[in-house]
Amino acid sequence: ETGVTQSPTHLIKTRGQQVTLRCSSQSGHNTVSWYQQALGQGPQFIFQYYREEENGRGNFPPRFSGLQFPNYSSELNVNALELDDSALYLCASSSLGREIGAFFGQGTRLTVV
Amino acid sequence: AQKITQTQPGMFVQEKEAVTLDCTYDTSDQSYGLFWYKQPSSGEMIFLIYQGSYDEQNATEGRYSLNFQKARKSANLVISASQLGDSAMYFCAMREGQRGAQKLVFGQGTRLTINP
Repeated sequence: ETGVTQSPTHLIKTRGQQVTLRCSSQSGHNTVSWYQQALGQGPQFIFQYYREEENGRGNFPPRFSGLQFPNYSSELNVNALELDDSALYLCASSSLGREIGAFFGQGTRLTVV
Repeated sequence: AQKITQTQPGMFVQEKEAVTLDCTYDTSDQSYGLFWYKQPSSGEMIFLIYQGSYDEQNATEGRYSLNFQKARKSANLVISASQLGDSAMYFCAMREGQRGAQKLVFGQGTRLTINP
């Protein structure tokens, strides 16, 4: 079991609403990444935060935004939810400069209706 | 852009047999890292094994080994003596970008089912 925790575990939202997902990273890790995993697909990189700054972004629109806090925890915010945003959202923590496997949380399953 | 291909959507194996999950990759980078993750039905991605592009020996972690063939751009996962608990989705992934940045590009995954 990793030290990465995500909340909530499940969430149902209505199209057009906004949602905030939370992640606390593994102790000693300074980098947090977010991934979206649609049903039956591999995870897709959304963005990464290092020392509270965005450190790379995947092919996701600006309505996907994030924050990293001084304690390295992180939030993923999605505005104007669309039905296609329904997915498992995974948070991963790691240490920049160290080649280790990223540690993932259990994910938040978001359903947009 | 980097790409990971897993050509086996599903694999069925008898308990205690060895199984090989295929992974091929495409990159123009000289330095890269390859990873395998296990995803049980609970959803969490569990790190299994890592291979660096400059590592001369194949990586091993307990029952897991990575058959790395650089010239063929393949990084197959071998699970020896499979167990019922090995039933899960398995993803091959490649690091993109800065070392340790862990921006991972994933394949589509292989669903492994271990039969008793």
